[in-house]
Amino acid sequence: NAGVTQTPKFRILKIGQSMTLQCAQDMNHNYMYWYRQDPGMGLKLIYYSVGAGITDKGEVPNGYNVSRSTTEDFPLRLELAAPSQTSVYFCASSYIPTRATNEKLFFGSGTQLSVL
Amino acid sequence: GDSVTQMEGPVTLSEEAFLTINCTYTATGYPSLFWYVQYPGEGLQLLLKATKADDKGSNKGFEATYRKETTSFHLEKGSVQVSDSAVYFCALRAWNTDKLIFGTGTRLQVFP
Repeated sequence: NAGVTQTPKFRILKIGQSMTLQCAQDMNHNYMYWYRQDPGMGLKLIYYSVGAGITDKGEVPNGYNVSRSTTEDFPLRLELAAPSQTSVYFCASSYIPTRATNEKLFFGSGTQLSVL
Repeated sequence: GDSVTQMEGPVTLSEEAFLTINCTYTATGYPSLFWYVQYPGEGLQLLLKATKADDKGSNKGFEATYRKETTSFHLEKGSVQVSDSAVYFCALRAWNTDKLIFGTGTRLQVFP
């Protein structure tokens, strides 16, 4: 029962470095999401995808890129890391869109990223 | 814009104490309201939800009632256990969007 798997769990980057946060789900969910949570703040949506080959921006997309080549995987790319991107990153998935009455999001355990 | 405000934590209780975690919201129309819980080392998971005014969501002994007149969705449990120690997130989804808006989370610590 893997659910949503995020790697790595922790990472420290230097300013200007690049990295990819991995997210994979084994529930055949069409909808996948990336959120970030800054200290003392709620989760904010970075990008989301409604299916393979389809992605769209959320509230805070600047500085990130995503791709969705398969149903299972939804990696998040940071090209030039900045201190403002220090945060906890959560990936989530759902079988149906969030506006549906019986929708339910499944979350990964998060990636704690520090940019120094 | 739409927003969710939660009480700050940590909330520290003894086992079997009564729990209330306050959540109020600002939204137009009739949003759906949720409580998510994050246990240590795990991802967030849906605890309960309510989709219209006066609905009561319940799960695992937790309850929350959608109060439109006070724009609140407070989480309650009559007798907490050590295993309830976690971070609790209140969230809303506006009636006409897919966007989920989360509160800041409230950490609950229950001691034996």
